[in-house]
Amino acid sequence: QKEVEQDPGPLSVPEGAIVSLNCTYSNSAFQYFMWYRQYSRKGPELLMYTYSSGNKEDGRFTAQVDKSSKYISLFIRDSQPSDSATYLCAMSVTSGSRLTFGEGTQLTVNP
Amino acid sequence: ETGVTQTPRHLVMGMTNKKSLKCEQHLGHNAMYWYKQSAKKPLELMFVYNFKEQTENNSVPSRFSPECPNSSHLFLHLHTLQPEDSALYLCASSQELRMNTEAFFGQGTRLTVV
Repeated sequence: QKEVEQDPGPLSVPEGAIVSLNCTYSNSAFQYFMWYRQYSRKGPELLMYTYSSGNKEDGRFTAQVDKSSKYISLFIRDSQPSDSATYLCAMSVTSGSRLTFGEGTQLTVNP
Repeated sequence: ETGVTQTPRHLVMGMTNKKSLKCEQHLGHNAMYWYKQSAKKPLELMFVYNFKEQTENNSVPSRFSPECPNSSHLFLHLHTLQPEDSALYLCASSQELRMNTEAFFGQGTRLTVV
């Protein structure tokens, strides 16, 4: 069983839709949760970072962590074609320990 | 542009070739990393360097040989690779070791082994 499960998609939505991206994990020791965005032919860039459970909002993006269910989500409101990318979840036990990544979900937002 | 530059962007090599990937960061960071990104697989950490010293080798085959001459440069020397080594190789850096929320990635080198 993978430590982190992420549906690879592809996911295709119309412009303006609310997008929900999710990861589940098996290691209950994970405390730090991150979402990266990776455009085609680019490296990953950190999008959102959350410690422990709860929500974090940044503009059109909201990250949620439910540690009891071992489930994290990234919501994108009013999605734009420029949001088309692969979204990677990642998590670690401490802020300095090795990151464990999901496989990534490929998202296309159609104009 | 994240401040981490990788060259070349694309590389095709035969199984008997020797080639090197280069990574340079202009951020004043002290830690540098090599990751492998294969299709339909999560990113895999390969090597970690802190202040030019290797601190982690994640059971990487010896046909991959890293070199870190200074805190700004990181190389990955490749020899006698296999087709399954074809992947996107990503370099990353952070101010301090494993500041995961402060790591910046380069654009990667797309490697194809034929």
